[in-house]
Amino acid sequence: EAQVTQNPRYLITVTGKKLTVTCSQNMNHEYMSWYRQDPGLGLRQIYYSMNVEVTDKGDVPEGYKVSRKEKRNFPLILESPSPNQTSLYFCASTSGVRGLGELFFGEGSRLTVL
Amino acid sequence: AQTVTQSQPEMSVQEAETVTLSCTYDTSENNYYLFWYKQPPSRQMILVIRQEAYKQQNATENRFSVNFQKAAKSFSLKISDSQLGDTAMYFCAFGSYETSGSRLTFGEGTQLTVNP
Repeated sequence: EAQVTQNPRYLITVTGKKLTVTCSQNMNHEYMSWYRQDPGLGLRQIYYSMNVEVTDKGDVPEGYKVSRKEKRNFPLILESPSPNQTSLYFCASTSGVRGLGELFFGEGSRLTVL
Repeated sequence: AQTVTQSQPEMSVQEAETVTLSCTYDTSENNYYLFWYKQPPSRQMILVIRQEAYKQQNATENRFSVNFQKAAKSFSLKISDSQLGDTAMYFCAFGSYETSGSRLTFGEGTQLTVNP
């Protein structure tokens, strides 16, 4: 089954404690990205990747890091989480010209930073 | 930078009726894609419909169709014969063909409730 898997689905942590949200896709997609969803703001792109070892900032990259060492995996790293990073996070992958095919999303990770 | 605006935070419709969700966007580009995504209470994001800007014909997918007005930069979604399962948050999104990398800009979302 084609899918994007992200973990954990739910996480409560404290300010400053490093955490990683994993994302894996099994569709051999070149493009992967991370979004955060906040009420009234829709989804905003954090980082994106066009292929292995090729990543770039999206619209709200501050406080986040990513890596793309393998095509299937695209982890999101919060080195020192702060309360303003409390949000719902989505990983997505796609193919197609310019990465503008259908986005396949993970099920979301609800993060709370105390 | 592109912006996408959904001016209706909430809408409701009776089952079997038709509803239209509005979306406007701002861009100076000529080649781009527009999308509507649906997020039901399960919070899973699902593609509803996709429109390529160079195509004049409006995209349709079963009960879902769009009214794409390129000059007006408007991309509304019409849902016909609304069903209870259509209850969801709907997001309009813009994707630039000229900026590579799967960079989508989403609107704020419209919460649609279908009433029995």
